[in-house]
Amino acid sequence: EAGVAQSPRYKIIEKRQSVAFWCNPISGHATLYWYQQILGQGPKLLIQFQNNGVVDDSQLPKDRFSAERLKGVDSTLKIQPAKLEDSAVYLCASSGFPGLFYEQYFGPGTRLTVT
Amino acid sequence: AQTVTQSQPEMSVQEAETVTLSCTYDTSESDYYLFWYKQPPSRQMILVIRQEAYKQQNATENRFSVNFQKAAKSFSLKISDSQLGDAAMYFCAYRSQGGTSYGKLTFGQGTILTVHP
Repeated sequence: EAGVAQSPRYKIIEKRQSVAFWCNPISGHATLYWYQQILGQGPKLLIQFQNNGVVDDSQLPKDRFSAERLKGVDSTLKIQPAKLEDSAVYLCASSGFPGLFYEQYFGPGTRLTVT
Repeated sequence: AQTVTQSQPEMSVQEAETVTLSCTYDTSESDYYLFWYKQPPSRQMILVIRQEAYKQQNATENRFSVNFQKAAKSFSLKISDSQLGDAAMYFCAYRSQGGTSYGKLTFGQGTILTVHP
């Protein structure tokens, strides 16, 4: 079974530029999560999708961050414009359903450096 | 809102010895899951073990076991017969089973585990 795919793996941009990350979940997984992991901290949920609908985006900085999951499969996370404090690893995870035993499977992450 | 606290930023252990990582959490919910995740330097997060709050029996997965104290809101991970491959960042995580936070993981700050040969 193929795992969660993310691209790019690394990205360096200057502040005020835009950037987009892509995630392809495990086939058949209805739920997709985007997490932000700042160096030395635990991941923080940015947004949760159930199929192509948003379940929770309470911690997404909506003035600069946006995310979509068209057709309920892969997803993109965009930052526009980027700030220095956005430097972090962005993790994508998917699960079959947020039910009793459906664990979240994580992708390798995208490391973003904003200079 | 739920919070998860890992009070040990770093821990070390000798190969073949036992180490315990601590985690406490705060919640008003009665139904939830707790997890320990391992994140090696390559950054792929891997599930180590999970515990259902309604189960009194502590979960065990090979060399990994937990001590779940629901009343004290404590959830520690014990690694027995430590191996060099156990070296990683370990995260304790809480998963709500109800409301708008259904399925959402709340992570602690992490504990870096070093294994000495």
